[in-house]
Amino acid sequence: GAGVSQSPSNKVTEKGKDVELRCDPISGHTALYWYRQSLGQGLEFLIYFQGNSAPDKSGLPSDRFSAERTGGSVSTLTIQRTQQEDSAVYLCASTPWVSSYNEQFFGPGTRLTVL
Amino acid sequence: AQTVTQSQPEMSVQEAETVTLSCTYDTSESDYYLFWYKQPPSRQMILVIRQEAYKQQNATENRFSVNFQKAAKSFSLKISDSQLGDAAMYFCAYRSANNAGNMLTFGGGTRLMVKP
Repeated sequence: GAGVSQSPSNKVTEKGKDVELRCDPISGHTALYWYRQSLGQGLEFLIYFQGNSAPDKSGLPSDRFSAERTGGSVSTLTIQRTQQEDSAVYLCASTPWVSSYNEQFFGPGTRLTVL
Repeated sequence: AQTVTQSQPEMSVQEAETVTLSCTYDTSESDYYLFWYKQPPSRQMILVIRQEAYKQQNATENRFSVNFQKAAKSFSLKISDSQLGDAAMYFCAYRSANNAGNMLTFGGGTRLMVKP
């Protein structure tokens, strides 16, 4: 079946604008994660969704960042009033259920550039 | 909080040779999982190999194997018979067995170059 998809692939925006990044997880996967990869660095956790439970927002860097997951499937990461330091690749991952052993399947990411 | 450190920003290996990528981590937990992910220029993260902390035997996947030293908190990746397609960024990652969300904690990555 299809893997995790993300759109857009690349996004260029001006400082102060809002952006929305979309993630389509693998069908049937109940857990969904967002990570951020700044230039030349590793990935840092942002937010996690599991089924209908309240999301774990502990990794969000500021209140300008928010995310939602509709119908337990598609997720949207929103960054308000973007800043240059928000420039990064935003990666989404999903798993069938929450388990330490389960592989997280990653999408190709969205490269965000804030001018 | 757990931390993962990859001390080699870049590594280079001759095609068909063997290379070892280093990873150390810091945790107070006894039950956890460790992973190596490959990220080619396409940005797609691909799982290479994983290790359960409670297992003493080192994991192997074809040309890829790990040297897991739990007491030293070390988890290195060995790539044998390196191929041009192995060129990529490699990330070591930690995942708690106790955390409800089981999110991954990543190291900073090692860029592997393979010379023909």
